[in-house]
Amino acid sequence: EVQLVESGGGLVQPGGSLRLSCAASGFTVSSNYMSWVRQAPGKGLEWVSVIYSGGSTYYADSVKGRFTISRHNSKNTLYLQMNSLRAEDTAVYYCARALILSSHAFDIWGQGTMVTVSS
Amino acid sequence: AIQLTQSPSSLSASVGDRVTITCRASQGISSALAWYQQKPGKAPKLLIYDASSLESGVPSRFSGSGSGTDFTLTISSLQPEDFATYYCQQFNSYLWTFGQGTKVEIK
Repeated sequence: EVQLVESGGGLVQPGGSLRLSCAASGFTVSSNYMSWVRQAPGKGLEWVSVIYSGGSTYYADSVKGRFTISRHNSKNTLYLQMNSLRAEDTAVYYCARALILSSHAFDIWGQGTMVTVSS
Repeated sequence: AIQLTQSPSSLSASVGDRVTITCRASQGISSALAWYQQKPGKAPKLLIYDASSLESGVPSRFSGSGSGTDFTLTISSLQPEDFATYYCQQFNSYLWTFGQGTKVEIK
């Protein structure tokens, strides 16, 4: 079965760090475009970051310089290292696979992991 | 960055109604647009990719159209399980953006 399972969310103080993990099954992370998308409570969807199959990475301006996306090929797992966290980073974080088509639509999503930044 | 504006932000409709949601891009994006359905507490579900291609397993009452800056998601006959929030999404220059969402509620 093709699926993504996130973990690593929780409560963290402002300025703190957290690492999210996303374990994939049924397909190979390193052969696909993999992204993180977040959703603040009661709000819409916001794209966060992508890692391409070739290893290139890109970030939304709101997280650039603070978040780092990476993958572990042998574990078939995607990561998001989040540093210097702010209250506005509070959200459900989803990992997702992007289709290699013109729209780069996200066809596979995880169930999400909640990150709360608060003192 | 390209902005996406959905309209309306919310709508009330009855089972069996034809529903149309619009997504306008701030500049031309060819057909690089997708549509998602999201229910409370759940991850988004892909409905339409490349503006008009139906994702496998999605009922044929869902359809997408448009290119350039103006796009439409149509539900031909609204079913009880279709009450949800719908988002459009575009890809351009290594960046993705989403519309603000359209909530479809029961009349």
